[in-house]
Amino acid sequence: DQQVKQNSPSLSVQEGRISILNCDYTNSMFDYFLWYKKYPAEGPTFLISISSIKDKNEDGRFTVFLNKSAKHLSLHIVPSQPGDSAVYFCAASADQGAQKLVFGQGTRLTINP
Amino acid sequence: ETGVTQSPTHLIKTRGQQVTLRCSSQSGHNTVSWYQQALGQGPQFIFQYYREEENGRGNFPPRFSGLQFPNYSSELNVNALELDDSALYLCASSLAPGHPVSNTEAFFGQGTRLTVV
Repeated sequence: DQQVKQNSPSLSVQEGRISILNCDYTNSMFDYFLWYKKYPAEGPTFLISISSIKDKNEDGRFTVFLNKSAKHLSLHIVPSQPGDSAVYFCAASADQGAQKLVFGQGTRLTINP
Repeated sequence: ETGVTQSPTHLIKTRGQQVTLRCSSQSGHNTVSWYQQALGQGPQFIFQYYREEENGRGNFPPRFSGLQFPNYSSELNVNALELDDSALYLCASSLAPGHPVSNTEAFFGQGTRLTVV
């Protein structure tokens, strides 16, 4: 039972354009959501998070949108840069923030010059 | 770099053997969580340790066990290894559950790649 789903295994975007990564969840008890970025041979690196009481959170080039009624969140990266090429994981928690995270399968983002 | 260190980085074991993986948490962090990441999948929560006691467990059998030490470092032990245990094992350190800034502070180590043959 996959409670957090990232339905696009891969995404290719041109440098300078917007990258949009999507994530769906099924558990209505999730109250905190995070995005992590992972390079090969490294652990996941925290990017941005959002509480269920908000619908948007912005940090520089990264914006996360949460649609609770649709149980959907997305990560927007503008403008996309070559260094953004990595695997992106969406994660959710029903336990006080960044604890006991449930991850999606990941989306491999490739930024083309 | 997060300050969370894991050892060893790579390990090869034979089916049926036992393995111990180690994690040193980031300075000031007293909570450690372990995750298993199979190839092509997202990390899966194994368990969390807080104040040297297990504080929540995912859907993993009892042959997966752990310890947390007074200095907050942690070990993951897996007994009777199976081929399907081959994965990247990740350790994440954070502040105490419920801490006002714990929401964003879950830092991962680089992982231990375990191969069971």
